[in-house]
Amino acid sequence: SQTIHQWPATLVQPVGSPLSLECTVEGTSNPNLYWYRQAAGRGLQLLFYSVGIGQISSEVPQNLSASRPQDRQFILSSKKLLLSDSGFYLCAWTSALAGAETQYFGPGTRLLVL
Amino acid sequence: AQSVTQLGSHVSVSEGALVLLRCNYSSSVPPYLFWYVQYPNQGLQLLLKYTSAATLVKGINGFEAEFKKSETSFHLTKPSAHMSDAAEYFCAVMITGGFKTIFGAGTRLFVKA
Repeated sequence: SQTIHQWPATLVQPVGSPLSLECTVEGTSNPNLYWYRQAAGRGLQLLFYSVGIGQISSEVPQNLSASRPQDRQFILSSKKLLLSDSGFYLCAWTSALAGAETQYFGPGTRLLVL
Repeated sequence: AQSVTQLGSHVSVSEGALVLLRCNYSSSVPPYLFWYVQYPNQGLQLLLKYTSAATLVKGINGFEAEFKKSETSFHLTKPSAHMSDAAEYFCAVMITGGFKTIFGAGTRLFVKA
């Protein structure tokens, strides 16, 4: 069966510090991968998605970036965090097979920038 | 472009009462439609989905939703609320063959004893 992992689960970082959040998927090959941010009291905002290694599409031009160094690994990064980067970050995957539309979400990382 | 509107950011019902969470969508092509549920400090999980088959879709935990093309709606219902249904619910739309899913802002369901 497929499993999606995210770490860390919780992170408290000072403004201006770097960020690296990691997401890995097990049990499937060539998944489509997604990063979302959920701010308090707000819905899900799609940040990045990837349909293959090294292929990243950005939905929101901010101080965040994403990379996909391996087929089942998706990393969210920042060089300098802002207060507004606080939120709940969710990684998700879908199968690349035609008709496989369901998104499977990881447990999330709660980021607090102080 | 696709969009989703969830009517009501908060809904409160009594235990045993009908649950109705409203969702309207906008799409220029036939969409796939979803309802996801999120419990506190967890990721989202799929409740049910519509993919152009039967218009009445049954999901987990006794929830169901009906796709009404004429009303561009996909409302979520459950005949009798349980305390364990308290969570946030997200309606979502995806164009067929697309990569992206567009989520609504979410509706938080409160269940009173």
